[in-house]
Amino acid sequence: TQLLEQSPQFLSIQEGENLTVYCNSSSVFSSLQWYRQEPGEGPVLLVTVVTGGEVKKLKRLTFQFGDARKDSSLHITAAQPGDTGLYLCAGDVNNNNDMRFGAGTRLTVKP
Amino acid sequence: DVKVTQSSRYLVKRTGEKVFLECVQDMDHENMFWYRQDPGLGLRLIYFSYDVKMKEKGDIPEGYSVSREKKERFSLILESASTNQTSMYLCASSGLDRADEQYFGPGTRLTVT
Repeated sequence: TQLLEQSPQFLSIQEGENLTVYCNSSSVFSSLQWYRQEPGEGPVLLVTVVTGGEVKKLKRLTFQFGDARKDSSLHITAAQPGDTGLYLCAGDVNNNNDMRFGAGTRLTVKP
Repeated sequence: DVKVTQSSRYLVKRTGEKVFLECVQDMDHENMFWYRQDPGLGLRLIYFSYDVKMKEKGDIPEGYSVSREKKERFSLILESASTNQTSMYLCASSGLDRADEQYFGPGTRLTVT
């Protein structure tokens, strides 16, 4: 079983729609990162959240860290084809510098 | 512009062959990592290194070894490749804190026949 469960595993939507993907765990994280990976490339960091309840915005992307620091969500407004990719969350378990990755949500945005 | 490079994008090897995957970073990072990525399983840590000649096992070290003779270079070795090692291999580096941003290479897709 994965330490971090990401849902949904696959998501296919039309351009302009909104979406939310989730990263959940039973463990507490001192920090959590979201990465995006495009086909043929390595993951690239989007954001790091460290405080329970924290909300960070990156243009049309909104990231939220749960109050208990066990879960996170990524909301995309008005999705565009350029948002297509694999979204991965990674958590630092109990502040021991041990990052673990989820399996990812594969997003396809159709024009 | 920061960079992590991997020696090959695609590699095809036969069962039983010894395989070397090379990774080089130009950011003077202390930490370097090797992951494999498989559908539905995400990134699983094979080994990481926090300094030259230092290494620690990750979650799935069996069948792999690593070498870090220089700070900028981290090699993954498959002593005797097997078909279940067919995968995408990703190298990454980060600064002093392992929870810092990790910078990834483009990956090596290894097929073992």
